[in-house]
This record gives sequence, C-alpha cells and structure tokens, in this order.
Amino acid sequence: QSVLTQPPSVSGAPGQRVTISCTGSSSNIGAGYDVHWYQQLPGTAPKLLIYGNRNRPSGVPDRFAGSKSGTSASLAITGLQAEDEADYYCQSYDSSLSDYVIFGGGTKLTVL
Amino acid sequence: EVQLVESGGGLIQPGGSLRLSCAASGFTVSDNYMSWVRQAPGKGLEWVSLIYGDGTTYSADSVKGRFTISRDSSKNTLFLQMNSLRAEDTAVYYCARASHWNEFDYWGQGTLVTVSS
Repeated sequence: QSVLTQPPSVSGAPGQRVTISCTGSSSNIGAGYDVHWYQQLPGTAPKLLIYGNRNRPSGVPDRFAGSKSGTSASLAITGLQAEDEADYYCQSYDSSLSDYVIFGGGTKLTVL
Repeated sequence: EVQLVESGGGLIQPGGSLRLSCAASGFTVSDNYMSWVRQAPGKGLEWVSLIYGDGTTYSADSVKGRFTISRDSSKNTLFLQMNSLRAEDTAVYYCARASHWNEFDYWGQGTLVTVSS
C-alpha cells in the first residue's frame, strides 16, 4: 500500500484529455512538499515529466501539465497520443515516516 | 552530458551479498543528492536509499540494517552494498540523481538483482 494513492489505470482516445490523481496527506503533499511526476515506457527507466508540482523539464511537451492543491496533486495530459501509453508515478517526501522518499503506486495509461 | 550506468546485478542466493555500482559522468556525485530506487517485477517504484552531498544517508525501513549506500569521489561512483538478501529484494535497481527541487532528474538504465535458490 503506497503512501501516495494513484488510480491503477486510466484510458482515453487519441486527442482526448486525461487526468491522473495523486492523493497524499498532511504529512507529505499537505505539508508543502513538492510533487514530481515520472513517465515510464515499457522496459525503460523512469523519465522526469514534471518537477516542483507544475514545471516541465526541457523537451517535455506542454501537453503535460501538473498541479497541486491541498493534500493532492494531478497530472493532466491533453491531446493524447499513442506514444503516451506508459506508467506514470507521482513522488514526494514525507515528514512522518522513516521512508522519507515516497512514490505513488503508479497509473497505467492506455490510449484506446 | 549526464550519464548514470549501473552494474553489479545478477542471481544471488537468499542470505547472500551483492554490491551494486553506479558510474556517473557529466557531473560530480559527491556534490549531489543521489538515490537508489528499485522496481520489483511487474510492480511500482520503491525508494531504497539516499545520500546527500554532505554524506548523510537514509534508507527505507525494508532495507535498513541490510543495505548501505556509499560513494567514491575518486571514481565518481555510487554504490549499494546489499547484505542478507531476501527473495523480496528481487528487483531492477536504478540509481538516480536529485536536482534543485529534489526531483530525480537523471536515472540509470537499471540493473537486475534476482534473489533465488
């Protein structure tokens, strides 16, 4: 059971918009810790997608957008493309656990 | 160009030891916060250990007392010494560099550790 809760799967047709939620608590996201998002294509290492809640690294399309409010964060993907099919993970930190770095359980995005 | 290359994985019997290496290029390991993250087959990402630039280390409860993170400045390399290995330690182990917002901006390709008799 991950400290950060993500839906196991989401899906959408090409061109549509999907959102992936990441729900935490007052000791992690709600305590002000930043949320970061990673994309993992099949058989590859994770890749940084969003950092500091809403910032995109160079090279990441603006179709990907992150937000944070209260004890939750969200990743929105607009204009879905076939190559977006991947696993997505949120990551933050927690002040109450000895497991200081925490990941969400991951969300499998299927492009229909 | 920043690059991280892990090595040292393999098949090991339960109770055995293994040392993973992560050779870095394009930046200085000892100036950065570095971490090990693992992924069991078909599962999600799990943080393992981290080392800050000042040498402070932290490890997840699941590996505390068994795994030790360290670095060698002369080799610009990060290590993970894994002792008393268990079947549940079977995973791909990634090293990652943390950047200004404490996000993991660069990852290695991973090295597979299989604990089985």
